[in-house]
Amino acid sequence: SQQGEEDPQALSIQEGENATMNCSYKTSINNLQWYRQNSGRGLVHLILIRSNEREKHSGRLRVTLDTSKKSSSLLITASRAADTASYFCATGPGGSYIPTFGRGTSLIVHP
Amino acid sequence: KAGVTQTPRYLIKTRGQQVTLSCSPISGHRSVSWYQQTPGQGLQFLFEYFSETQRNKGNFPGRFSGRQFSNSRSEMNVSTLELGDSALYLCASSLESGYSYEQYFGPGTRLTVT
Repeated sequence: SQQGEEDPQALSIQEGENATMNCSYKTSINNLQWYRQNSGRGLVHLILIRSNEREKHSGRLRVTLDTSKKSSSLLITASRAADTASYFCATGPGGSYIPTFGRGTSLIVHP
Repeated sequence: KAGVTQTPRYLIKTRGQQVTLSCSPISGHRSVSWYQQTPGQGLQFLFEYFSETQRNKGNFPGRFSGRQFSNSRSEMNVSTLELGDSALYLCASSLESGYSYEQYFGPGTRLTVT
């Protein structure tokens, strides 16, 4: 079974709106990473948040991590049509390399 | 710096055949990982190679194998292809082995088995 699971599975918004997607996981983690994938292409790393961090920013991205709830959220502010993509969280139980990806959130931003 | 490259980009094979996919990591990266992505199973980890040694392996049958060369380039082989092997195969490289390192993904090889 997947370690990380994103929610919602699909999200459709208008340009300029904020998009929030969540990731829940089951076991302890060393860190959590978010990736973006444009249709049928490779993944692009967005941000890595360590288990001792609660919030991290990168441009229009804000990631939060709540280890007590075993969940993370990715917020994209002022979305653009170019943000249309699938977003994945990847987690790994502390020490183990094998990263587990969720099934992703498909985000569509309408111009 | 050039990104991760994968060849070929598209491939069509027949059931029972074998296939070899190639991945060239970013210069200086020593770890190469392979993933299979399908609509039904999502993104699944196949294996990781570091310094020509397989470090980690996902839950795939022995028909899936790989290797890494001294220049860090990696190949993945699938023997006795099955229809269910149709997928996007992604290669990712990172500086070192270990989950804490950011992975850089290639564009993938789209394999279709007929």
